[in-house]
Amino acid sequence: GIQVEQSPPDLILQEGANSTLRCNFSDSVNNLQWFHQNPWGQLINLFYIPSGTKQNGRLSATTVATERYSLLYISSSQTTDSGVYFCAVERGSSASKIIFGSGTRLSIRP
Amino acid sequence: DGGITQSPKYLFRKEGQNVTLSCEQNLNHDAMYWYRQDPGQGLRLIYYSQIVNDFQKGDIAEGYSVSREKKESFPLTVTSAQKNPTAFYLCASSISWGTGELFFGEGSRLTVL
Repeated sequence: GIQVEQSPPDLILQEGANSTLRCNFSDSVNNLQWFHQNPWGQLINLFYIPSGTKQNGRLSATTVATERYSLLYISSSQTTDSGVYFCAVERGSSASKIIFGSGTRLSIRP
Repeated sequence: DGGITQSPKYLFRKEGQNVTLSCEQNLNHDAMYWYRQDPGQGLRLIYYSQIVNDFQKGDIAEGYSVSREKKESFPLTVTSAQKNPTAFYLCASSISWGTGELFFGEGSRLTVL
């Protein structure tokens, strides 16, 4: 099945810094999503981005489907950005399942 | 507001007891999912349902059971056969199987004593 790898596994930054999180996948995908899991465990949708670039405030994401990776950019980090960021992919066939990466744990220090 | 509601948020049970976790959605989504998350780990798929009255096993279905009698509801039962039931359980839905965004509930944290 498709493999999803996220890097780095852990990232510690000072408030105000910028960061880039990466998601590599081993096969072509129809869907790709980025989520933020907050300290209470809830998964918040950030981007639904099977290809191209999207921006939402301080966050943006780019998926290069032909090269099988996606990047999540966080600018001017705030302490509320702390948590775990997951990407999830799905190939779109009737037999396929949504596969999650293992996540990047981001800690923003004040 | 539209969304996914999971209950209870926290649950404590003695070993050997079955427990049922509730998941209700008012998004009019056809597909629903149950995931398990262990501390410091990613999400693993337990069961999924593409449409009402239909469901399939995911990657770690042993010791779990589900039903999908209504479009809005997809309860998960953690049976006594599940060897390590203590975990965080997340319910999700999408407009249809394999397409569209996945939306999650707030999760249910189960602790077996």
